Amino acid sequence: DQQVKQNSPSLSVQEGRISILNCDYTNSMFDYFLWYKKYPAEGPTFLISISSIKDKNEDGRFTVFLNKSAKHLSLHIVPSQPGDSAVYFCASRHAGNMLTFGGGTRLMVKP
Amino acid sequence: DVKVTQSSRYLVKRTGEKVFLECVQDMDHENMFWYRQDPGLGLRLIYFSYDVKMKEKGDIPEGYSVSREKKERFSLILESASTNQTSMYLCASRTGVGEKLFFGSGTQLSVL
Repeated sequence: DQQVKQNSPSLSVQEGRISILNCDYTNSMFDYFLWYKKYPAEGPTFLISISSIKDKNEDGRFTVFLNKSAKHLSLHIVPSQPGDSAVYFCASRHAGNMLTFGGGTRLMVKP
Repeated sequence: DVKVTQSSRYLVKRTGEKVFLECVQDMDHENMFWYRQDPGLGLRLIYFSYDVKMKEKGDIPEGYSVSREKKERFSLILESASTNQTSMYLCASRTGVGEKLFFGSGTQLSVL
């Protein structure tokens, strides 16, 4: 049973528009959430994170929102650029400081 | 920058072969991890290690074992490879208290 789900396997967005990637989790004990980005033939790289005591964290064009009551987090990319085309994984931290990853969403930003 | 190096980019093995995947990190990280990535399933944890000679099972350890004789090196072993172990294998490391993982580039293993 997947505790972290990314229900959209892919997303296509026009350059300059907003990209919104979504992630749902089931375990209320998760206390820290992260987003990773993965290009083909490379390992995932850390993008942005948020603690469960916050509801928003911003870093340049990237903003992560956390809705604890809905057990939902989202990553907003504004404006989207072709170089943002990659697979995005959300991850949640739980007991023992371990991460559980979602299935990933492939983002395609069209010029 | 942290560097996590996986020895092979691509590997092709036959069913029943013993397979070794090697991973080396250069930042003196205490924790090291092996994940596999499959479409739609994301990254699933196979094994991890908090310190030299220590290992813990992850979510899907069946069919795998690991070795950590030195702090910088973490090996994943497939004792008898099977076709359902065809996958992308990712090694990662982090400090003992950090949340952020640093990943290698991955090894695409095909078992025929």
